[in-house]
Amino acid sequence: DTGVSQDPRHKITKRGQNVTFRCDPISEHNRLYWYRQTLGQGPEFLTYFQNEAQLEKSRLLSDRFSAERPKGSFSTLEIQRTEQGDSAMYLCASSRTGTAETQYFGPGTRLLVL
Amino acid sequence: QQPVQSPQAVILREGEDAVINCSSSKALYSVHWYRQKHGEAPIFLMILLKGGEQKGHDKISASFNEKKQQSSLYLTASQLSYSGTYFCGTENYGQNFVFGPGTRLSVLP
Repeated sequence: DTGVSQDPRHKITKRGQNVTFRCDPISEHNRLYWYRQTLGQGPEFLTYFQNEAQLEKSRLLSDRFSAERPKGSFSTLEIQRTEQGDSAMYLCASSRTGTAETQYFGPGTRLLVL
Repeated sequence: QQPVQSPQAVILREGEDAVINCSSSKALYSVHWYRQKHGEAPIFLMILLKGGEQKGHDKISASFNEKKQQSSLYLTASQLSYSGTYFCGTENYGQNFVFGPGTRLSVLP
């Protein structure tokens, strides 16, 4: 068990560019979550997958955001036409299937949009 | 529906106790507690599932009052390493997991 990993750890981009982040969950975990966290706030839910199926997507998530988990293992989060307001820490977490399962977080990808 | 946490911030001297509260306007299925240090990812502390359940390890424990739709995290004889932001996460019946806004705890020597 190597834990949840995320890549890259930091990303600086110019407004209008597209960015893609990757998350590798703990291997036996079926669920994978994406959160966004800004300074001084708690993590804000974006979306989650059970295996390869995207089961829930936050209403706060604009159409510029898309996530995939094609083989039920790693996941990617893409942001198109980035805006300065997208600057945040993007956290990935994974868990076993079921309610009240512990979510284990990755180190996050810090995005800065200039 | 985001849970409410109180206090927003607390400053302690090493060895003092603290209580952090988390409450929801909706019926809770479970409450999770996490601690996050600056620049790091949240780290899991514990989950509480049943009304009245209490859990703890070391000198950090928590209770869950299902009827009052709230949970409290107790930190006793605080250590410098306890400093960080504590988040509760709640699962309501039929709704997604939601984090509270956090309580910033600073333990001073």
